[in-house]
Amino acid sequence: QKEVEQDPGPLSVPEGAIVSLNCTYSNSAFQYFMWYRQYSRKGPELLMYTYSSGNKEDGRFTAQVDKSSKYISLFIRDSQPSDSATYLCAMSQDSNYQLIWGAGTKLIIKP
Amino acid sequence: DVKVTQSSRYLVKRTGEKVFLECVQDMDHENMFWYRQDPGLGLRLIYFSYDVKMKEKGDIPEGYSVSREKKERFSLILESASTNQTSMYLCASRLSGEQYFGPGTRLTVT
Repeated sequence: QKEVEQDPGPLSVPEGAIVSLNCTYSNSAFQYFMWYRQYSRKGPELLMYTYSSGNKEDGRFTAQVDKSSKYISLFIRDSQPSDSATYLCAMSQDSNYQLIWGAGTKLIIKP
Repeated sequence: DVKVTQSSRYLVKRTGEKVFLECVQDMDHENMFWYRQDPGLGLRLIYFSYDVKMKEKGDIPEGYSVSREKKERFSLILESASTNQTSMYLCASRLSGEQYFGPGTRLTVT
């Protein structure tokens, strides 16, 4: 079993929909949780960075961490075609530790 | 803005060739990383470096080596390229948890 599980998709939704992307993990020591966005033929870029449990909001994006269930989510409101990309979750025990990555979910927003 | 650059976007090499992938960052970060990315497998860590001349093996170091002679530059070397090393190679540098990535090098070994 992988330490971090992420459904590879693709997930296809109409423009304007609310998107929910998720990762589950097995290591209860993880405390730092990140979401990266990767456009085709580009490197990943950091979208959201949260520490421990709770929610964090940035514009149309909300990151949610539920440590009791070992489950993290990224919500995208009012989705746009420009949100079409692969979304990767990553997590670590400490900010100086290696990141453990999910496989990435390919998201397609249809106009 | 942090900038991480990689020497080539696309590279085609023959089996058995020695391949050099170069990565340069301009933010004086101490930590640098090399990953490969394959469909369905996500990012897998090949090597990382905490400082100049220091290197640590990641999860899949076999067939690879690295060099870090200067703080801003981290090189990945494929000693004798094989077809199973065809992949997207991503370099990253790190400041306080967040990793900044280069655009990637898509390497094809024929």
